[in-house]
Amino acid sequence: EAEVAQSPRYKITEKSQAVAFWCDPISGHATLYWYRQILGQGPELLVQFQDESVVDDSQLPKDRFSAERLKGVDSTLKIQPAELGDSAMYLCASSLAGYSYEQYFGPGTRLTVT
Amino acid sequence: KNEVEQSPQNLTAQEGEFITINCSYSVGISALHWLQQHPGGGIVSLFMLSSGKKKHGRLIATINIQEKHSSLHITASHPRDSAVYICAVLYNNNDMRFGAGTRLTVKP
Repeated sequence: EAEVAQSPRYKITEKSQAVAFWCDPISGHATLYWYRQILGQGPELLVQFQDESVVDDSQLPKDRFSAERLKGVDSTLKIQPAELGDSAMYLCASSLAGYSYEQYFGPGTRLTVT
Repeated sequence: KNEVEQSPQNLTAQEGEFITINCSYSVGISALHWLQQHPGGGIVSLFMLSSGKKKHGRLIATINIQEKHSSLHITASHPRDSAVYICAVLYNNNDMRFGAGTRLTVKP
């Protein structure tokens, strides 16, 4: 069964360092989402791609976060510089075409900033 | 303020009990999702519904559009049902919001 792949699964970094996460969605899924989930809370959308275009990045802290999906397939989320408050689970999900379709989630990357 | 409210926040049950988790939201929606998150973080979509009721195995999801409320029921609960259950709503403006989740523990 096709799955959303994410790497790394765990990342520990010091504050002010740069960190990057990778996501490979299910083949054929046009929509890719990056979410941040702080412990004890629900996921919060950071950025939504439709193919290679950003559809919604209104909640992305653009001074330190960036995301790209250059060829409309896999995607990278970067944080530079990392801050203590960025410690969270970063989840990637994909769907066939937008929110009207079921989202499939990856295993997530748990980031700890020290 | 979280626009999607779930209750209870935590729930402990004995194996075999009937479980109900509730979700309420504030304005008109296009769809509502129930998600299951296991320890370690992986999320699985259980249901997507916009009206009525859906059933899959021991899981039942209902939604009342007029009351802006949905429930997830688990019949004959089992320890493997222990997880965090998250309600997510897609508002009519294509904005998706997630509840904080209900942590369910089913004891043998």
